[in-house]
Amino acid sequence: GIQVEQSPPDLILQEGANSTLRCNFSDSVNNLQWFHQNPWGQLINLFYIPSGTKQNGRLSATTVATERYSLLYISSSQTTDSGVYFCAVTPMDSNYQLIWGAGTKLIIKP
Amino acid sequence: SQTIHQWPATLVQPVGSPLSLECTVEGTSNPNLYWYRQAAGRGLQLLFYSVGIGQISSEVPQNLSASRPQDRQFILSSKKLLLSDSGFYLCAWSVRQLLGNTIYFGEGSWLTVV
Repeated sequence: GIQVEQSPPDLILQEGANSTLRCNFSDSVNNLQWFHQNPWGQLINLFYIPSGTKQNGRLSATTVATERYSLLYISSSQTTDSGVYFCAVTPMDSNYQLIWGAGTKLIIKP
Repeated sequence: SQTIHQWPATLVQPVGSPLSLECTVEGTSNPNLYWYRQAAGRGLQLLFYSVGIGQISSEVPQNLSASRPQDRQFILSSKKLLLSDSGFYLCAWSVRQLLGNTIYFGEGSWLTVV
């Protein structure tokens, strides 16, 4: 099955710094999503981005489907950005399945 | 707008006791429903998914079961909990065609089996 790898596994930054999180996947996919899980466990959708680039405030994401990777950019980090960032993909032959990466744990220090 | 709610938020149960976690979705019809488990804050594992009333698919053989008695209600159960059942359980929904659509999660339920 599809393998989803995220890097780095952990990231500690000062408030105001920029960061890039990466998601590699091993096969073609129909769907790629980025999620943020806050320290209280709530999972929030950030982007649905099977290809191309999207921006939402200080966050943006780019997926290069032909090269099987996606990047999540966080600019001017704030302490509220702390948490775990997951990417998840839907295989070409599935209508329900999401294959999850192990996540990047981000800590933003004030 | 659509909302998803699951309860209880936290639960401490002794080994061998039963379990019932409930999830309801409002504002949509015929959703796909999912139960995930997350251990140690990393990696979500799909436990069950359902595409309709009474239709349950299990992804991982285990001590748990799921039921969907109504279109927008999904229940996770166990007759006898094991220590290894401890974890963070998340209910989620999506429109029937996940392709091209996103998935939405409930608040989660923290289960500690003692």
